Amino acid sequence: EAQVTQNPRYLITVTGKKLTVTCSQNMNHEYMSWYRQDPGLGLRQIYYSMNVEVTDKGDVPEGYKVSRKEKRNFPLILESPSPNQTSLYFCASSLLPWGGNTIYFGEGSWLTVV
Amino acid sequence: AQKVTQAQTEISVVEKEDVTLDCVYETRDTTYYLFWYKQPPSGELVFLIRRNSFDEQNEISGRYSWNFQKSTSSFNFTITASQVVDSAVYFCALSEAGNNNAGNMLTFGGGTRLMVKP
Repeated sequence: EAQVTQNPRYLITVTGKKLTVTCSQNMNHEYMSWYRQDPGLGLRQIYYSMNVEVTDKGDVPEGYKVSRKEKRNFPLILESPSPNQTSLYFCASSLLPWGGNTIYFGEGSWLTVV
Repeated sequence: AQKVTQAQTEISVVEKEDVTLDCVYETRDTTYYLFWYKQPPSGELVFLIRRNSFDEQNEISGRYSWNFQKSTSSFNFTITASQVVDSAVYFCALSEAGNNNAGNMLTFGGGTRLMVKP
């Protein structure tokens, strides 16, 4: 089954404790990205990757890091989480990296930073 | 810069009523794509439809229909004979095509929460 898989789905952590949210897709997609969802703001892009070893900032990259060492994986790293990073996070992928290609989302990761 | 506005933050209807969710967008590009996603209470995002800017034909899929009007920059979504299972947050999104959007970024509206009561 074609899917984008994120882990963990739910996490409560403390300020400053480094954490990683993993993302994996099994569709051989070139493009992957991370979004965060906040009430009234919809989803906003954090980082994206057009292919292995190619990453770039989205709209709201501050406080996040990513890496793309393999085509299928695109982890999101919060080096020193803060309460304003409490949000619902989505990993996404599409076959090609250009605008207009349909994007498929993972199930979401609920992150709470206290 | 691109922008998507969903003016209705919350709509409540009774089952079997028809309901229309509004979406207005802004873009300077002539080639772009519009999407609708559904987010049920479980949280995942479900892809519903993708339309390109050159195709203004309305589309119907079962009880769902979409009305794309470039003249008013709108891409509205209608659910006919709503059901309780339609209760969800619905997002409209815009993607500018090609090299102008190398990150294939989707610009989302704020979402409309639809509650269908039995």
